[in-house]
Amino acid sequence: TQLLEQSPQFLSIQEGENLTVYCNSSSVFSSLQWYRQEPGEGPVLLVTVVTGGEVKKLKRLTFQFGDARKDSSLHITAAQTGDTGLYLCAGDKAAGNKLTFGGGTRVLVKP
Amino acid sequence: DADVTQTPRNRITKTGKRIMLECSQTKGHDRMYWYRQDPGLGLRLIYYSFDVKDINKGEISDGYSVSRQAQAKFSLSLESAIPNQTALYFCATSDPFVPGQGFYGYTFGSGTRLTVV
Repeated sequence: TQLLEQSPQFLSIQEGENLTVYCNSSSVFSSLQWYRQEPGEGPVLLVTVVTGGEVKKLKRLTFQFGDARKDSSLHITAAQTGDTGLYLCAGDKAAGNKLTFGGGTRVLVKP
Repeated sequence: DADVTQTPRNRITKTGKRIMLECSQTKGHDRMYWYRQDPGLGLRLIYYSFDVKDINKGEISDGYSVSRQAQAKFSLSLESAIPNQTALYFCATSDPFVPGQGFYGYTFGSGTRLTVV
């Protein structure tokens, strides 16, 4: 069992639709991050959330950190084909700069 | 040039062989990490180093060793490769955590795809 569980594992939608990816844990995290990874490349940081209940927006992407700092969600509005990729959440339990990653959600946005 | 460079990008090796994966960075970060990625399992931490004299095991260090040759260089070795070490390997660097300012996040290399046959 992974410390961070992501759901769904795979999501296929049409361009223009909305989608939400979830990242859940029974543990409390001091901070939580979301990364996007494209084939042949390493993950790239999208956002860091540190405060329970925090909501951050990055253009069409909205990130939320749960009030208890145990879970997070990523919502994409009006998805575009360029949003296709593997989305990874990662948490730092002890503010020690050592991240634990979820299993990832593979998103495919079809034209 | 990339901030974090990994070599080689691809490698096929035979069971029992020793292999070294190399990582160098121009970020000036003290903290460096090695992760492996397997489908559906995300990234799992193998080893990490917070400065040149500091080496720590991660959650899956068995069968691996590391060397921090300088602030900018962190190499991963498989002493005797086995097929279940076939995976995508990533090196990453980070700034140190600053209380109240959140965690700055990792900068990853492009990865090394290792196949053990």
